[in-house]
Amino acid sequence: GAVVSQHPSRVICKSGTSVKIECRSLDFQATTMFWYRQFPKQSLMLMATSNEGSKATYEQGVEKDKFLINHASLTLSTLTVTSAHPEDSSFYICSAWDRGNIYGYTFGSGTRLTVV
Amino acid sequence: SQQGEEDPQALSIQEGENATMNCSYKTSINNLQWYRQNSGRGLVHLILIRSNEREKHSGRLRVTLDTSKKSSSLLITASRAADTASYFCATPLWRGGGNKLTFGTGTQLKVEL
Repeated sequence: GAVVSQHPSRVICKSGTSVKIECRSLDFQATTMFWYRQFPKQSLMLMATSNEGSKATYEQGVEKDKFLINHASLTLSTLTVTSAHPEDSSFYICSAWDRGNIYGYTFGSGTRLTVV
Repeated sequence: SQQGEEDPQALSIQEGENATMNCSYKTSINNLQWYRQNSGRGLVHLILIRSNEREKHSGRLRVTLDTSKKSSSLLITASRAADTASYFCATPLWRGGGNKLTFGTGTQLKVEL
């Protein structure tokens, strides 16, 4: 079945630095990808929708200058957390819209970001 | 914002018992999906029910959908310790920019031996 590879699975960074998370669709083309954030014991909150070749659409309350999203190809979307702070520590999950998937969405395995 | 709310927020049962989780949502839907998430891991698709369906089964899972009440339930029968996880309902929501999957608040299920 369709696979979305998310990398890295875990990352620790220092406050003030930037971290890039990659989300790749391995065997299908994903014109649309989604980025979620999840705090411990909470649900997934949609951060933004990433469309190949155009600007991402951010959900209300999400800082676009802090969470930079690039979807430069049909198989790769990246989320860069800029000037990270401890409160950005969270679990980030991407998903890709997949027409071949009955559910429509294939999820990556997530990235645990810890900012120290 | 969350499209759906789930209850209970947490559920603790003994192995072999049934577990029922409920989901309420706000807007009209084409389908509703249930997912499982083990602690710190990604999401696993469980079952999808379309808006014109009322009930669906998959192994030990039974999902119902009541569009008039905007609610769904997930029943896990004969639970096992391995069923311990968080369970989320999710609905595709069309907004400018795409068909976005939005999640309910989730139920944390603990199945004890």
